[in-house]
Amino acid sequence: AQSVTQLGSHVSVSEGALVLLRCNYSSSVPPYLFWYVQYPNQGLQLLLKYTTGATLVKGINGFEAEFKKSETSFHLTKPSAHMSDAAEYFCAVSDGDFGNEKLTFGTGTRLTIIP
Amino acid sequence: GAVVSQHPSWVICKSGTSVKIECRSLDFQATTMFWYRQFPKQSLMLMATSNEGSKATYEQGVEKDKFLINHASLTLSTLTVTSAHPEDSSFYICSGAGGASYEQYFGPGTRLTVT
Repeated sequence: AQSVTQLGSHVSVSEGALVLLRCNYSSSVPPYLFWYVQYPNQGLQLLLKYTTGATLVKGINGFEAEFKKSETSFHLTKPSAHMSDAAEYFCAVSDGDFGNEKLTFGTGTRLTIIP
Repeated sequence: GAVVSQHPSWVICKSGTSVKIECRSLDFQATTMFWYRQFPKQSLMLMATSNEGSKATYEQGVEKDKFLINHASLTLSTLTVTSAHPEDSSFYICSGAGGASYEQYFGPGTRLTVT
């Protein structure tokens, strides 16, 4: 069974400051890891994903995440926050080999940007 | 990236009636489609997984007779909420996956309000 824990349901940062959203996972097999962003009343947009290979993954909008197996973590970072980054962020894990396995989502982190 | 659409984006229905939500993959063949439910300020809860031409697999606790899922083609899946009640009011999101891309593509969601 898989699980995802997102520490901090709400995170506030000042515009221009570092964004750090935490995600820890539990999986019995090598995981595939994802970060999604959701704007109000919209579906989910993929920010980045880790499957295999390089553990530092770069995504859209300046976000990146690092897979740390020893810490079972996949934290999301962005060096400089922008007002448009305000949204809900979900970390998710999948154990599928073929891309069709179901995702297990964390409870989400609401990011607020302070002007 | 691949595009998934949902129709309608917003629907209001009276208690006791049924409502159908369509999920279409516009530019790829979705061999698997997923249906999620999201309550306000909460994470996505997987309701069911459907493969084209097969019966859907429902998650534990989801009433299969209430939430009818049909995946008739590689580009269309429908969710019918039968005999809707106010507690069925929620945001329903579908996603499609095809091939070995390790990614689900999410629709924009449908907000259902049952009065």
